[in-house]
Amino acid sequence: DGGITQSPKYLFRKEGQNVTLSCEQNLNHDAMYWYRQDPGQGLRLIYYSQIVNDFQKGDIAEGYSVSREKKESFPLTVTSAQKNPTAFYLCASSIDTTGNSYNEQFFGPGTRLTVL
Amino acid sequence: ILNVEQSPQSLHVQEGDSTNFTCSFPSSNFYALHWYRWETAKSPEALFVMTLNGDEKKKGRISATLNTKEGYSYLYIKGSQPEDSATYLCALKMKTSYDKVIFGPGTSLSVIP
Repeated sequence: DGGITQSPKYLFRKEGQNVTLSCEQNLNHDAMYWYRQDPGQGLRLIYYSQIVNDFQKGDIAEGYSVSREKKESFPLTVTSAQKNPTAFYLCASSIDTTGNSYNEQFFGPGTRLTVL
Repeated sequence: ILNVEQSPQSLHVQEGDSTNFTCSFPSSNFYALHWYRWETAKSPEALFVMTLNGDEKKKGRISATLNTKEGYSYLYIKGSQPEDSATYLCALKMKTSYDKVIFGPGTSLSVIP
């Protein structure tokens, strides 16, 4: 079945450690996105990528890093520089945006990160 | 940063009631407005993609309209059912050098049996 997978579902990290969240899609989508959700708030864009080896900062990129070495994969690293990393993280993808820029996003199940 | 607003923040209705909520935005410089439904413990799923002023979309008991000139979209649910309970998100696919997507904070709907 086509879809987006994120792992792990729950992640605990000690303060000061870097941690990488996995996002994989087999939908053959060009664009991928990372969002963060905090209680009572909407989805906030961390990073997005339209094509392999290219990505752009979203609204809250500080303390995060990404890579896009393969079309299927868009891992997010939460670094020790992120001051308040405890949150729910959602990954999404959409079909190539250049020709059909109205296409909706497909979401993974999310990873809940807790910093101890 | 463009601010997409949704109202109300939360809503509790009785089963069988019809309801509606609003997504508002200050700019029409976007390719599309999307409505998503996000049920608890599941991933958000797209309900509607709306692109033109005056667009009206319908899926079963749920429908949506778009008014780009006045900067709002309405989502209507006719005869709410408990399975409609979810958070409803609207998002704008912006016309920027990279197609950035901006989400509203969502409206949380609870349908009481």
